[in-house]
Parts: sequence; C-alpha cells; structure tokens
Amino acid sequence: GDSVTQKQGQVTLSEDDFLFINCTYSTTTYPTLLWYVQYLGQGPQLLLKVTTANNKGISRGFEATYDKGTTSFHLQKASVQESDSAVYFCALVDLNTGYQNFYFGKGTSLTVIP
Amino acid sequence: GPKVLQIPSHQIIDMGQMVTLNCDPVSNHLYFYWYKQILGQQMEFLVNFYNGKVMEKSKLFKDQFSVERPDGSYFTLKIQPTALEDSAVYFCASSLALGGRRAETLYFGSGTRLTVL
Repeated sequence: GDSVTQKQGQVTLSEDDFLFINCTYSTTTYPTLLWYVQYLGQGPQLLLKVTTANNKGISRGFEATYDKGTTSFHLQKASVQESDSAVYFCALVDLNTGYQNFYFGKGTSLTVIP
Repeated sequence: GPKVLQIPSHQIIDMGQMVTLNCDPVSNHLYFYWYKQILGQQMEFLVNFYNGKVMEKSKLFKDQFSVERPDGSYFTLKIQPTALEDSAVYFCASSLALGGRRAETLYFGSGTRLTVL
C-alpha cells in the first residue's frame, strides 16, 4: 500500500542555516505530494504541494521537488529563521482508490536557535 | 484561508464516560476526517466521512467510536465508553468533494486535547 517515510525525527539548526528534511514515498499510482507544517498548539496547515512528477513546489522560501525516479520529495530552505521552528509532515494523497486517502509521515521536529 | 473549528479545545473525562468532540468544517466542504495524534508522535488516520456515510476507517477506529453530521451541523466524533489509551489530540479535517485537483488539500482544525483519567 501507499506510505510515506520521514527518517529524521528531530533537526536542530541555527538561524540562516540550510534546511533539508528527507521524505520518501511508496505508491503504485501517481499521487499528489504535500508538505504540512504544524506550529506549537495548532493544527497542521498546508505548506506546499506538487501534483506532477518532476515539478517543484515553492512556498515561503521552502521548496520540494517531486522526484519520481528516486521516489523522494525532500523539503529544503536556504536560510531558516527562528519562526520556522515547527513540526513538518510529508504527505501523499491518492485519488485513485475511489475515495481520498491521505498518508502522513511521522513528522520532523525543527528547532531553530537564534 | 478556510477555517475548521474544533470545540472544545480541551476535554478531561473519567474513564468509561462518553465524550463527543465537535468539528465545524469549512462551509462548502463535503469530505470530513478525524485524525488522532499522541503527544510527539505521528498523526494517525481514524476515519473519513462523505455524504452521510463512513467511507473508510482504520484499525484505530474502534467499535466504541462513531461519527455523524446530522443535517449540516457539527461533524462529531463520539467515544463511548472511553479508555485510558484514548487520551490524545484529535484533529478534524475537511476537504472539497472527491474528484479533481480541488480535492487535494486537507484543512485541519486546531485539535481537541482529550485526557481520560
């Protein structure tokens, strides 16, 4: 079945550091790939999504490329700020099962030290 | 952007009691979901609901759980009776109806923190 894997549970960076969060997926179809961000005490909110292989999603300085060859959708940001501290979830949605199925990774907790 | 409201934000109850978690989804959305998140862990899918019916549920959606949305009112998750392991944050989410690119985004509420004593 479909699944999403995030291996990094926690990442700690200093302001202006480069961010890379790993995400790989497994599916037999052509899903839409998404990143959600969850700030402390809030529900997850959509950060970016990409519907087509080999395309890139960009939002608020974050970017992720849908790489069908490596089945990856890593999240990157050139220069993080303290306000980026949050939990980041990679997700996959498969519309081909007849109803919607969203699959979330375990999440990566990012702490940015000023 | 679109807002999903969850009421209450916190609920504390004794084991064995019944609890109802309320969700006011985005007004034109037709697909509704409940997710469970234990502190510091992954969000886990419980159930999705469309056109008055449960479309899919996970193993976590025990027999003690039920969902409904009577006549456009709140989308509710009822647990009866509750157990200690039901303590978690429960997130409601909604999306536009099935089909097409509009349906690919889930909008989440801020969650209800349920503590079962």
